Amino acid sequence: DVVLTQSPLSLPVNLGQAASISCRSSQSVVHYNGNTYLNWFHQRPGQSPRRLIYEVSNRDSGVPDRFSGSGSATDFTLRISRVEAEDIGVYYCMQGTHWPYTFGQGTKLEIK
Amino acid sequence: EVQVVESGGGLVQPGGSLRLSCTVFGGTLDYYAIHWVRQAPGKGLEWVSGISLDTPRIGYADSVQGRITASRDSAKNSVHLQMSSLRAEDTATYYCGKDMTPGGMGVWGKGTTVTVSS
Repeated sequence: DVVLTQSPLSLPVNLGQAASISCRSSQSVVHYNGNTYLNWFHQRPGQSPRRLIYEVSNRDSGVPDRFSGSGSATDFTLRISRVEAEDIGVYYCMQGTHWPYTFGQGTKLEIK
Repeated sequence: EVQVVESGGGLVQPGGSLRLSCTVFGGTLDYYAIHWVRQAPGKGLEWVSGISLDTPRIGYADSVQGRITASRDSAKNSVHLQMSSLRAEDTATYYCGKDMTPGGMGVWGKGTTVTVSS
C-alpha cells in the first residue's frame, strides 16, 4: 500500500500568516494514464471531511483562492496564503491513484 | 447536486453484525467508485472498502478483509457494507465517499456511527 507521510503534524499559525503542509508518498502516485490523483481534505471538529484540492492543484468549487496545491510524483504541498479563523481543523492528503486509497496522518492547524 | 447519505450504524456486541448503506441522491451509481472511510474517536481517516461502479472491482483494507462485504443495489441507488465478527476496534464513524472524477472522493456523507461494545 502507498504510505503518505504528512509534516508537520501540528501547525500553530497566526491569523493572516501563511501556512504550508507537506505530503510525501512512499511511491509515485502518477497513474498510468498520466494523471496524479493526489487530493487534500479539510475536516473541522464534528464535521465530515471536505475536499479542497484534487489532482494536485485543482481547487474544488467554493474553495477560497488562498488555498493552493502543488507537487509531483511523490512530493506534494498544500499552502494557505493567509490563514483565517475558519481554517482551523485537520488537513489530510489522500491518494486515489492506487487501490487501496490511502490518507496521510493528518495535520492539525490551530490559531496561536 | 450529488449527495450521499449513510445509514445503518448503531450499537452492536463484539462478534455481532451490522449492515451499513450509502444512498446516492441527485446522481447515479453508474460511474467511478464509492468508498467507505472510517474514523475512530480522536483518530485519523482510514479507507475501509471501495466498490467501483463502472468496472468490476471491489477492495478491502487488510484490517477488515474477510469480515466485510461490499455490494451495490442499483434499484435503490445504494451501496451496502455488510460487517460481521465486529470487534471493539471497529468502533468508528463510517463515512461514504463518492468519486465524482477518478481517484477523487469529491462527495462525502455526514457519516454513521458504529459502536462495538458489550
